[in-house]
Amino acid sequence: GENVEQHPSTLSVQEGDSAVIKCTYSDSASNYFPWYKQELGKRPQLIIDIRSNVGEKKDQRIAVTLNKTAKHFSLHITETQPEDSAVYFCAASGSGNTPLVFGKGTRLSVIA
Amino acid sequence: GAVVSQHPSRVICKSGTSVKIECRSLDFQATTMFWYRQFPKQSLMLMATSNEGSKATYEQGVEKDKFLINHASLTLSTLTVTSAHPEDSSFYICSARSPQGLELFFGEGSRLTVL
Repeated sequence: GENVEQHPSTLSVQEGDSAVIKCTYSDSASNYFPWYKQELGKRPQLIIDIRSNVGEKKDQRIAVTLNKTAKHFSLHITETQPEDSAVYFCAASGSGNTPLVFGKGTRLSVIA
Repeated sequence: GAVVSQHPSRVICKSGTSVKIECRSLDFQATTMFWYRQFPKQSLMLMATSNEGSKATYEQGVEKDKFLINHASLTLSTLTVTSAHPEDSSFYICSARSPQGLELFFGEGSRLTVL
């Protein structure tokens, strides 16, 4: 089955700096790679996702890159703000009825 | 986007009792729903895949006789934690994928505390 590795487990950045979180996956059949932000006690919130037919996607301060050959994908947050502080999860899945498999998460702290 | 609703959001029960958690897809039909469990400061771990009209598929290490899943309709899946013990205390989250796409929609989650 799919295995998703995520690094780093914790990340502290100064406000205004960029943050990068990296994930690798094992199943070459996976074709959907979302990123979630989760606040304490709440459900994961989708912040951006990428399909396997594109290499990069951007939405304002957030961007995701995908390298299918190397089986890794990354989340980039620019101009970080204190409200970006949260736990971020990457995930991977195939299509149809395949479940999402999550990475272990990254606790991001943005220091004002 | 599609809406998945989960109930109850919080439940406290005594050790040995059973607790039922409901997951509903409100504006779409879900032949498949996924149940995840999240312990404090950990990731979401898939427990089982719930299939409408058939038996659920459980992940390795998840006891099917303890975590009963019923998916009797296209909009409702239930998870019953039987004979709950303190180690079952966790955040349980259901999810479903709308027929149109790949995105997974999550319920609000249910925090179970077993005393």
